[in-house]
Amino acid sequence: DGGITQSPKYLFRKEGQNVTLSCEQNLNHDAMYWYRQDPGQGLRLIYYSQIVNDFQKGDIAEGYSVSREKKESFPLTVTSAQKNPTAFYLCATSGLAGDTQYFGPGTRLTVL
Amino acid sequence: QKEVEQDPGPLSVPEGAIVSLNCTYSNSAFQYFMWYRQYSRKGPELLMYTYSSGNKEDGRFTAQVDKSSKYISLFIRDSQPSDSATYLCAMSGGGGFKTIFGAGTRLFVKA
Repeated sequence: DGGITQSPKYLFRKEGQNVTLSCEQNLNHDAMYWYRQDPGQGLRLIYYSQIVNDFQKGDIAEGYSVSREKKESFPLTVTSAQKNPTAFYLCATSGLAGDTQYFGPGTRLTVL
Repeated sequence: QKEVEQDPGPLSVPEGAIVSLNCTYSNSAFQYFMWYRQYSRKGPELLMYTYSSGNKEDGRFTAQVDKSSKYISLFIRDSQPSDSATYLCAMSGGGGFKTIFGAGTRLFVKA
């Protein structure tokens, strides 16, 4: 069963806690992305990675961190420095051309 | 001015209607144009993909790109209640790994 998996589906965080969102793909895509979606604001790019062991900041990277140790995996850590982390987080992948992205099912993060 | 403008709606139509969804953009370097469908609490699903100008048809869906006007459209014929979702337009220059998304138009198709 090919595709992109994100876990968990729902995540609750207390103030001051770091949490890590998982993204795994078996599409053999080189590029992976993390977006944040808030109501009425569309998708905002947090981080992206074109190859293993390399990644770049997107438009709203502050308070987030990533790693890319394997081609299949691109976990996102939401740190306590992110002041408004409640949102829907989407992982996406694309081939080397970077023209068409495919999305995972998303993780909804709520701060308690 | 945003790079991509998309009317958020909501747009409400009766079943069987033809739906027209649109986006305008400002960056003439965009070459790849996509439409995604997103159901509530789900990830976006790629619906249509077009390179450069022209039309592309897939079943009840037609995507149009007018690069001279910087305007793209998605038409849905014989709309069904199952088409009720948020539709996101997206575009990129290709090779740069930066895709710009519209904010999405929420569509309701009433039975």
